[in-house]
Amino acid sequence: LAKTTQPISMDSYEGQEVNITCSHNNIATNDYITWYQQFPSQGPRFIIQGYKTKVTNEVASLFIPADRKSSTLSLPRVSLSDTAVYYCLVGAASGGSYIPTFGRGTSLIVHP
Amino acid sequence: GAVVSQHPSWVICKSGTSVKIECRSLDFQATTMFWYRQFPKQSLMLMATSNEGSKATYEQGVEKDKFLINHASLTLSTLTVTSAHPEDSSFYICSARDGTRGENEQFFGPGTRLTVL
Repeated sequence: LAKTTQPISMDSYEGQEVNITCSHNNIATNDYITWYQQFPSQGPRFIIQGYKTKVTNEVASLFIPADRKSSTLSLPRVSLSDTAVYYCLVGAASGGSYIPTFGRGTSLIVHP
Repeated sequence: GAVVSQHPSWVICKSGTSVKIECRSLDFQATTMFWYRQFPKQSLMLMATSNEGSKATYEQGVEKDKFLINHASLTLSTLTVTSAHPEDSSFYICSARDGTRGENEQFFGPGTRLTVL
């Protein structure tokens, strides 16, 4: 299983762009990178998933360099409601053998 | 999108009693379900993986006789905390995966807060 490393915490202000980087040095060839958001006392919520280069959806962008040993979740113009814990997970997107395990996550606090 | 529900959302019980938590996939076949436990300010810790119709696979350090998991149908898995004690107080989260689609995307339930007095 590819181990992930993220900063424990980050602080930002409303309206700023936030970039959270995750290191996964031993990512396997068929592994995808998935990011989740979790609010207190709620289950994790899927944000975005990617394999390489750049993926963008309505809430975030995911940048993955060519070597895929890291990934960066980019949240544009954050608001107070983006205060949450963000987790990156690495694993196969198909095949049925993937057992999702969570690292420590990054606690993002957005200030007014 | 796929929806996973949990019931109850919170429960308070006396020490020594057993508590059952249900996890349901509402609009897809959950061939695999995962149970996590999360203590305050900590990450989710995987407790066990269950495939429909099979015995659950428990992670190291998780007592299978204390945390009984039943995955008898494609839409329901239950976690029973037997003889609960205060140290079992935690936030329990399930997730489900539709293996028939060949994808590993998993969908999380809203979680169940267990407080043992």
